[in-house]
Amino acid sequence: EVQLVESGGGLVQPGGSLRLSCAASGVTFKNYEMHWVRQVKGKGLEWVSGIGTVGDTYYLDSVKGRFTISREDAKNSLYLQMNNLRAGDTAVYFCARESLDDGFDIWGQGTTVTVSS
Amino acid sequence: SSALTQPPSVSVSPGQTASITCSGDILGNRFVFWYQQKPGQSPVQVIYHDSKRPSGIPERFSGSSSGNTATLTISGTQAMDEADYYCQAWDRSAGVFGTGTKVTVL
Repeated sequence: EVQLVESGGGLVQPGGSLRLSCAASGVTFKNYEMHWVRQVKGKGLEWVSGIGTVGDTYYLDSVKGRFTISREDAKNSLYLQMNNLRAGDTAVYFCARESLDDGFDIWGQGTTVTVSS
Repeated sequence: SSALTQPPSVSVSPGQTASITCSGDILGNRFVFWYQQKPGQSPVQVIYHDSKRPSGIPERFSGSSSGNTATLTISGTQAMDEADYYCQAWDRSAGVFGTGTKVTVL
């Protein structure tokens, strides 16, 4: 069974940093593009960042220069380094696999990031 | 603009048909994907490439797309279909989600 498990969320002060991780199992991780999607409580889904199979990266404009996505295929892991966090970054962060048909076919359970003083 | 607009809510009686639209300038030549999200759960893909159903998704879910508007249709809606639904497309390499539609089965 393919499974994605996020970790690393928590409470952080504005301006602080967090590193999210996403561990994949049951899948040949290196063959897939991977993404982070976030959701503010009670609101809609928002794509945050993606990384291709060769390490090409893409970001939502509002996180460019603050967030860095990376992957470690040998460990079947995806990461999101978040710096200079703002209150507006408070959300549940999901990692998601982009299928070969280009949609998000597998999602993790999410990890909660709260930015507050 | 890369925004995708959906109606905030749709109400449907059990056994009837619910239709959810998704409109946006970027849809003209791009595939649309649809996701179902129930409270406290992660999203689940229900339609890919405008109209195809992933394995395990019931036949009552169907999709179509024409011009700048895509539509998700739930035929013979069941109580278990009550959820939030999101469309999604790609704008170059950035994902774009619709504003979301809450489907209520009355």
